[in-house]
Amino acid sequence: ETAVFQTPNYHVTQVGNEVSFNCKQTLGHDTMYWYKQDSKKLLKIMFSYNNKQLIVNETVPRRFSPQSSDKAHLNLRIKSVEPEDSAVYLCASSSRTGGSYEQYFGPGTRLTVL
Amino acid sequence: GDQVEQSPSALSLHEGTGSALRCNFTTTMRAVQWFQQNSRGSLINLFYLASGTKENGRLKSTFNSKESYSTLHIRDAQLEDSGTYFCAADGNTGNYKYVFGAGTRLKVIA
Repeated sequence: ETAVFQTPNYHVTQVGNEVSFNCKQTLGHDTMYWYKQDSKKLLKIMFSYNNKQLIVNETVPRRFSPQSSDKAHLNLRIKSVEPEDSAVYLCASSSRTGGSYEQYFGPGTRLTVL
Repeated sequence: GDQVEQSPSALSLHEGTGSALRCNFTTTMRAVQWFQQNSRGSLINLFYLASGTKENGRLKSTFNSKESYSTLHIRDAQLEDSGTYFCAADGNTGNYKYVFGAGTRLKVIA
């Protein structure tokens, strides 16, 4: 049962273009995350937001910018993509209340930069 | 440095057998999650533990925060158990930032 939705599933683009990925969760969670999974399947956190506030901002290139309109949505924009941005981008959500901070993941967006 | 060391990196099991996966942590962790990533790339929640042991069907997981490790036991492996298993640990930073292990690629053979 999917509760974290991501669009698009796949995106192919050229170096230098801008891309945007969307994420929405219907779990009522207050914290959302973006992760990058590379070709070796390593998962690294990029950003996390709590109630629309940025709380984790790892060392990522400045061309990456997260955007949150409300606590159910967290989008990711990449200005001027580079070949090394090819990866799967995974969105997740969790709740900071109730004592359990279990994360739930969306299906991912696979980005290919030509 | 890496805070989560996951082992083994790859594992082959015959159907009906079992094994254990392990994650060691270099700092104190608040909680751990275990996931299975299937062939479609979806991360499936297996366990969330703040302490102790949980069991679900053929899977059992333990988290020992004092000794800084967690294990995932698989018994009676089935073909559909194939995939990549990840542990993710939540450090005591207050930012709820999970750090993932590098994964264990499990192949179950008939």
